[in-house]
Amino acid sequence: AQKITQTQPGMFVQEKEAVTLDCTYDTSDPSYGLFWYKQPSSGEMIFLIYQGSYDQQNATEGRYSLNFQKARKSANLVISASQLGDSAMYFCAMDAVTSYGKLTFGQGTILTVHP
Amino acid sequence: EADIYQTPRYLVIGTGKKITLECSQTMGHDKMYWYQQDPGMELHLIHYSYGVNSTEKGDLSSESTVSRIRTEHFPLTLESARPSHTSQYLCASSESRRATDTQYFGPGTRLTVL
Repeated sequence: AQKITQTQPGMFVQEKEAVTLDCTYDTSDPSYGLFWYKQPSSGEMIFLIYQGSYDQQNATEGRYSLNFQKARKSANLVISASQLGDSAMYFCAMDAVTSYGKLTFGQGTILTVHP
Repeated sequence: EADIYQTPRYLVIGTGKKITLECSQTMGHDKMYWYQQDPGMELHLIHYSYGVNSTEKGDLSSESTVSRIRTEHFPLTLESARPSHTSQYLCASSESRRATDTQYFGPGTRLTVL
């Protein structure tokens, strides 16, 4: 079974600053994927970034980067140059090969960007 | 990116009514999923399908049922709605290009049962 833990219920950041959202995971499967999704107040889930367990480099997508520390089982999301539109709920999720595509989600972190 | 659609976006209905939440995707993805999410909470998988005529129950027990008669269509049905079914329902799909696949979500249906 997989488990995702997000320990920050809420985070605040000033516009144009960088922010790190924490995510730790647990799995016994050696092959897995880690995902981050953004959920604005409108409710849809927007895929942000993916990291495979065997990827050598940390994933980056525009202003999003994933700080993957395999030994610590952490997959923190870093958002650089925060914008007001980044205010949303952020979910970390994982999928292992033995899960056959089923995602396990964390509890989420609400990010508020202040002007 | 996947194109995945859900209707209705919002539904307010009385107790005991039968409802069907529609989910369609145009990307030809084999895998489709239904998640239930209470406000401000995490998502829980309630149903999934790996292809036509394949459906399985997810980790969270649900009184809803699903069907997968066509690849692009994965509707969810509640035979008799109750206030405890009030929640947001999110549909997702993924292809099978690698061992772990990115799931793309529809906009969700917010269901309120009075």
